[in-house]
Amino acid sequence: KAGVTQTPRYLIKTRGQQVTLSCSPISGHRSVSWYQQTPGQGLQFLFEYFSETQRNKGNFPGRFSGRQFSNSRSEMNVSTLELGDSALYLCASSPDTGTYTDTQYFGPGTRLTVL
Amino acid sequence: LAKTTQPISMDSYEGQEVNITCSHNNIATNDYITWYQQFPSQGPRFIIQGYKTKVTNEVASLFIPADRKSSTLSLPRVSLSDTAVYYCLVGAYSSASKIIFGSGTRLSIRP
Repeated sequence: KAGVTQTPRYLIKTRGQQVTLSCSPISGHRSVSWYQQTPGQGLQFLFEYFSETQRNKGNFPGRFSGRQFSNSRSEMNVSTLELGDSALYLCASSPDTGTYTDTQYFGPGTRLTVL
Repeated sequence: LAKTTQPISMDSYEGQEVNITCSHNNIATNDYITWYQQFPSQGPRFIIQGYKTKVTNEVASLFIPADRKSSTLSLPRVSLSDTAVYYCLVGAYSSASKIIFGSGTRLSIRP
């Protein structure tokens, strides 16, 4: 079974621009979550989508948004980029069976650099 | 969500067995213990998950004592490619928002 894929893998943008990142979950997985990882803050939860609805949201400003499509693929968007948005953005999918042992499977990430 | 405490870093040598211990004093009845491995600029990779006693797979073993207030990830005969950050997570993973990654343990393997 193919793993979680993310595109693009690397991205360079300038301040003020916006960016859209894409994530394709493992086939059959219904939940997609996004994380931001920086050296200073570690891995932080952005939001989670399930059945095209945002189910949970982390503590990030409204410039960070996302959506999920009917095929479970997900996109996240960051508007008005700031230097501090430079990070590795990780997508993870889960079968979300509602059991205690559901596990997150992570993609390789998108490295975003804001200049 | 139970808070976890792990050593910030560990060093070892190729061929040695490495044990990384995680403390989780406030673990709840429904919580499972999961370990992830992360290489630089890659997403975390699931290693092993357990609830109690011992779990073993092709990569590692997980030892959990009866009180479940700690757990130990055991990596047999490590190689240079095991150099990575290892995260211990405790929770009932029915929702991603309940997953909180701590600082992890940076494991360095020397020749």
